[in-house]
Amino acid sequence: NAGVTQTPKFQVLKTGQSMTLQCAQDMNHEYMSWYRQDPGMGLRLIHYSVGAGITDQGEVPNGYNVSRSTTEDFPLRLLSAAPSQTSVYFCASRNGQGVNSGANVLTFGAGSRLTVL
Amino acid sequence: SQQGEEDPQALSIQEGENATMNCSYKTSINNLQWYRQNSGRGLVHLILIRSNEREKHSGRLRVTLDTSKKSSSLLITASRAADTASYFCATVPPGSSNTGKLIFGQGTTLQVKP
Repeated sequence: NAGVTQTPKFQVLKTGQSMTLQCAQDMNHEYMSWYRQDPGMGLRLIHYSVGAGITDQGEVPNGYNVSRSTTEDFPLRLLSAAPSQTSVYFCASRNGQGVNSGANVLTFGAGSRLTVL
Repeated sequence: SQQGEEDPQALSIQEGENATMNCSYKTSINNLQWYRQNSGRGLVHLILIRSNEREKHSGRLRVTLDTSKKSSSLLITASRAADTASYFCATVPPGSSNTGKLIFGQGTTLQVKP
């Protein structure tokens, strides 16, 4: 059981370039999400999905695109990278089983550190 | 705006001492969670306390919740160097139960000196 796997771990982009951050989970979790973490800001929700084919915007969605074609995968796309998108990005999935069912307990990936020059 | 605000922002203690960090939030909640983040790693869920609970224990962790003051505290007893990490509180925004959405505080960075 690998949990939540994010790739790449590190990436450097030039302004205007595009890229996709990959996220995969093998726990059959319905819910997946992307957060960004900036110094002094905690984590802020970018986009989330409550199941395959369903996505919605979080707190800071501008400049990012997502899709959810399978339960396992939830890629985050930057169509035209900007320096303001320099951040650490975390993918998470929700454990909806057991004693904490319905309580939004999240399992996080290890993060992807993105630098936009 | 952020739901949770934490203090202190940074805390440095000696091994064996207790560490207390606090979280305040703005709206009504169903539950409040605490997460730990080791440097360069993802967040790991530590403990959840529901709105009808006032105190909860898990090993060396003790969490309290005061819904009248909209605040929670996390106490780590007999701290160890391995407890060095950032700690975040998180709440579910109103109307978002069963969505997985969480709002995080800014975190408390704990350093435990050996």
